[in-house]
Amino acid sequence: AQTVTQSQPEMSVQEAETVTLSCTYDTSESDYYLFWYKQPPSRQMILVIRQEAYKQQNATENRFSVNFQKAAKSFSLKISDSQLGDAAMYFCGLLGTYKYIFGTGTRLKVLA
Amino acid sequence: GAGVSQSPSNKVTEKGKDVELRCDPISGHTALYWYRQRLGQGLEFLIYFQGNSAPDKSGLPSDRFSAERTGESVSTLTIQRTQQEDSAVYLCASSFVAGNPGDEQFFGPGTRLTVL
Repeated sequence: AQTVTQSQPEMSVQEAETVTLSCTYDTSESDYYLFWYKQPPSRQMILVIRQEAYKQQNATENRFSVNFQKAAKSFSLKISDSQLGDAAMYFCGLLGTYKYIFGTGTRLKVLA
Repeated sequence: GAGVSQSPSNKVTEKGKDVELRCDPISGHTALYWYRQRLGQGLEFLIYFQGNSAPDKSGLPSDRFSAERTGESVSTLTIQRTQQEDSAVYLCASSFVAGNPGDEQFFGPGTRLTVL
């Protein structure tokens, strides 16, 4: 079975500061992808960043980067220079064969 | 179309009634997915289609739930005899091909279903 665990229901960060959202997962598959999606109040799921499991190099997308620890099955998201527009629910996801397994989400609040 | 669209955006129904939720995927996307998101929770996989075939229906919560897809186009999720626990946001997503981990899933805005 595949599982994704986000142990932080809510996080807060001061504007312009850095925050890290945690995610751990479990899978028996050797080839998989990991994702972070953002869901603002509009409900629209937006892909933030993705990581191919066979790549050791951590993915980065502008202010967003991941710390992928394959042996520890950990996949955390770092947001640098946080902006008010980053406030949203963040979901960590695992894509194995054909479907996503998502964590329960972390609500990120950005304080002005 | 430019993105995945879903209709209606909101649906309020009475317990025991049937509802149909519609999803229009991105043109050219052969894979389509349905998820349920209960209030304050993550996404729960329901079913996926590759073309108009649904290889895995194991995520459907009960036999009151069914889904169909016409070709590689519109899909409808039907919930019969709705119950209050069916209240949730139902999200649809599409991608080029199911099972290709490199393909991004594009999500629609969801349908918020409220069962009174």
